[in-house]
Amino acid sequence: DIQLTQSPSFLSASVGDRVTITCRASQDITNYLAWYQQKPGKAPKLLIYTASTLQSGVPSRFSGSGSGTEFTLTISSLQPEDFATYYCQQLNSHPLTFGPGTKVDIK
Amino acid sequence: EVQLVQSGAEVKKPGESLKISCKGSGYSFANYWIGWVRQMPGKGLECLGIIYPGDSIIRYSPSFQGQVTISADRSISTAYLQWSSLEASDTAMYYCARYPPGLGDAFDIWGQGTVVTVSS
Repeated sequence: DIQLTQSPSFLSASVGDRVTITCRASQDITNYLAWYQQKPGKAPKLLIYTASTLQSGVPSRFSGSGSGTEFTLTISSLQPEDFATYYCQQLNSHPLTFGPGTKVDIK
Repeated sequence: EVQLVQSGAEVKKPGESLKISCKGSGYSFANYWIGWVRQMPGKGLECLGIIYPGDSIIRYSPSFQGQVTISADRSISTAYLQWSSLEASDTAMYYCARYPPGLGDAFDIWGQGTVVTVSS
C-alpha cells in the first residue's frame, strides 16, 4: 500500500494568514493526489484533484501543487469558514489511501 | 442535482449482521465507481473498497477484505456495504462517495454518512 504522511498534524492560524499543508507519499504517485476539507459532523468535501485542479465551486484562495512524492495545499488568505481538517488522498493505485489529516484551528 | 443518499443510523449488537445502502440520483449511476469510507470516532478516513456498478467490479482494500462485502444493484442505483458478524470495532461513521472513472479523478460527491454503533 502507498502510505501518505501529512505535516503539520495540527496548526493554529489567524484569519488572513497564508497556510501551507504538506503531503508526502511513500512512492511516486505522479499527480494522482486529491485534497479534501472536513468540518465536524460533515462529510468530506473535495477541494483539489490531480494535485492542482480546483474542483468546481471551490474558492480560488485554495491551491495545490506538487508531483511525484511531495505535494502542498495552500490557502492564500485563511477565512473563518476554512477552519477544518484537511486530508490528502492518493488515487494512483489501489488500495486508495488517505493521509492522517491536518487540523487547522483558530489562533 | 447529483446526490448520494445513505440509509439511516444503526445500533446493533456484536455478532449481528447489517447492510447499509447508498442511493445515487441525478447522474448515470452505472458509469461511476462508488467508494466506501470509514471514519472511526475522532479518527481519519479509510477507504474500505470501491465498486463499479456497471459490471460490479469490486476492489477491496486489503485491510478490509473478508471483513465486509460491497455490492450494488444498478437497476435501483444503489450500492451496499454489509457485515455478516459485527464487532464493537466496527463502530464508526461510514460514507459512500462517487468516483469518476477517469484517471486521476477523486471522490467528488459524498453521501451524508451512516453512523453504525455496535454495542452489547
